[in-house]
Amino acid sequence: NAGVTQTPKFQVLKTGQSMTLQCAQDMNHNSMYWYRQDPGMGLRLIYYSASEGTTDKGEVPNGYNVSRLNKREFSLRLESAAPSQTSVYFCARADTNEKLFFGSGTQLSVL
Amino acid sequence: GENVEQHPSTLSVQEGDSAVIKCTYSDSASNYFPWYKQELGKRPQLIIDIRSNVGEKKDQRIAVTLNKTAKHFSLHITETQPEDSAVYFCAASKQSGGSYIPTFGRGTSLIVHP
Repeated sequence: NAGVTQTPKFQVLKTGQSMTLQCAQDMNHNSMYWYRQDPGMGLRLIYYSASEGTTDKGEVPNGYNVSRLNKREFSLRLESAAPSQTSVYFCARADTNEKLFFGSGTQLSVL
Repeated sequence: GENVEQHPSTLSVQEGDSAVIKCTYSDSASNYFPWYKQELGKRPQLIIDIRSNVGEKKDQRIAVTLNKTAKHFSLHITETQPEDSAVYFCAASKQSGGSYIPTFGRGTSLIVHP
């Protein structure tokens, strides 16, 4: 499942700190997504981007911002981290047949 | 918005048995239904998908069925093996603003006992 690279793999933050999760695809597909995964909650959509320069809110956008400056990269920013944002974050891209390919995930803990 | 319900949350079977996971969706605009498998500590990976113009699709030991009228779809795994043990997610997907937006179920933890 090459094609979506996420960094970092692990991160510990203190409440109130900020950080940016990076995601890059090695293809040229338009659609990219950020999901969070919590136990028993499945994968919940935070933001998505249909194309370079456009972003839209998903199911759980509060406390997050995103940036899609070019077709390859789609970053997720936490401006002031809260313990409720402790989660595993997955970036994904969709191919032309709507199939999602996920990155390897970022495990974030907010203390 | 779309709401996807997935059952059961946990499924325990003996090796060689069949396993069935069921999902329902609420939005009739959804027209693409993928299934993802997530092994412990790994990323979700697509295993099979079905579109709304098809009622059933098979790929070796796995199959998916779709009932558009009832708004439900199911994953069937036959002759289960220990390596099938994982969390399985269904999703209902519809087009919005140039993207297909999947809404996921909460997942089913499948345990296959040798």
